[in-house]
Amino acid sequence: SQKIEQNSEALNIQEGKTATLTCNYTNYSPAYLQWYRQDPGRGPVFLLLIRENEKEKRKERLKVTFDTTLKQSLFHITASQPADSATYLCALKGAAGNKLTFGGGTRVLVKP
Amino acid sequence: DAGVIQSPRHEVTEMGQEVTLRCKPISGHDYLFWYRQTMMRGLELLIYFNNNVPIDDSGMPEDRFSAKMPNASFSTLKIQPSEPRDSAVYFCASRNWDAEYNEQFFGPGTRLTVL
Repeated sequence: SQKIEQNSEALNIQEGKTATLTCNYTNYSPAYLQWYRQDPGRGPVFLLLIRENEKEKRKERLKVTFDTTLKQSLFHITASQPADSATYLCALKGAAGNKLTFGGGTRVLVKP
Repeated sequence: DAGVIQSPRHEVTEMGQEVTLRCKPISGHDYLFWYRQTMMRGLELLIYFNNNVPIDDSGMPEDRFSAKMPNASFSTLKIQPSEPRDSAVYFCASRNWDAEYNEQFFGPGTRLTVL
């Protein structure tokens, strides 16, 4: 069956360090993968998209990699700040249709 | 634009009652998605519409759940009869078909508690 796994344990990190989150998937042939940020009591907010034929994307302090051989995406927050504290969700879209399937999310806590 | 609007923001009801959740997508968006989020199961897609037509309802848990989109600016998700296990946060999201990043815009959610 199809699975998307993110580390369910919270990631505690010191301000200024790089946070690295993992998204692993099985039995998928994704057309693209997205990362969203979710703050408590709010809906997810889109951050980045990376397509199946792309290896890396960057946006400001964010970097995403995509390895379709390993079936894994890594999400990096460089020079992390307390305002980056949130839950980060990865989501995959398959080759057909417009359905997004989300991982369980990883909570990040950046300490000053 | 005000973004995706959902109402009510909170709903507390008793088992067996009918619950109706409402969503107004962003104007001009032609995809609308209904999700449910719980601690145990995460964020799950229930159903999505394209140009007001239901495309994939494979995530709807059972016949107690129904969704409609009578026009481009309004959708409802109805649960009848409600059960305690339906307690969750329900999100509506919308998307434009030709958006560069295919990003979905989520509403603030409706927190449903069924007693």
